[in-house]
Amino acid sequence: ELQLVESGGGLVQPGGSLRLSCAASGFTFSTYWMQWVRQAPGKGLVWVSRIDGDGSGTSYADSVKGRFTISRDNAKNTLYLQMNSLRAEDTAVYYCAREGRYYYYAMDAWGQGTTVTVSS
Amino acid sequence: QSALTQPPSASGSPGQSVTISCTGTSSDVGGYNFVSWYQHHPGKAPKLLIYEVTKRPSGVPDRFSGSKSGNTASLTVSGLQAEDESDYYCSSYAGSNKGVFGGGTKLTVL
Repeated sequence: ELQLVESGGGLVQPGGSLRLSCAASGFTFSTYWMQWVRQAPGKGLVWVSRIDGDGSGTSYADSVKGRFTISRDNAKNTLYLQMNSLRAEDTAVYYCAREGRYYYYAMDAWGQGTTVTVSS
Repeated sequence: QSALTQPPSASGSPGQSVTISCTGTSSDVGGYNFVSWYQHHPGKAPKLLIYEVTKRPSGVPDRFSGSKSGNTASLTVSGLQAEDESDYYCSSYAGSNKGVFGGGTKLTVL
């Protein structure tokens, strides 16, 4: 069964760091592009970042570029999001999502999300 | 990367059809046929309904359909059912390997 399970969320002070993980199972992880999407409290979904299958190609939303780093370990079937210099506006539920093999920029599988709260 | 524009709310009675719009620019919705739509029940994982403007993944009922004209994409839900009550989001490729979502539409089944 296909599963994406996020972890690593929590409470962090402004300026702090956090690393999110997304454990994938039930599919050949290395052959799929992966994405991170977030949802602030009471707000809509926002695209955050994307990484190709071997990790050589990445892209970021302007709001997180230079602060967040997406990466993956295909041997561990795990996607990561390293978040540095966190701000209050980064408070959100963070979802990892699989980009469909033949669906460009469409995500056909999602995790349940992990909550990040940036507050002093 | 400005969010795509969706109406905050939409509604319809059971059995009726409702259409949700998603307006972007020539740099995203209008420039590429990579518009997708998601259904998101709060607290759950979003679900892909439509990809590449009009295509439905396996398992999505044909009551859900997508279209696009110029810079505006649309999702139509036909034969509304109570379980269709949810939040709906559009998304588009926005060039330079970036994506963008709409602000979301809360669909109420009356």
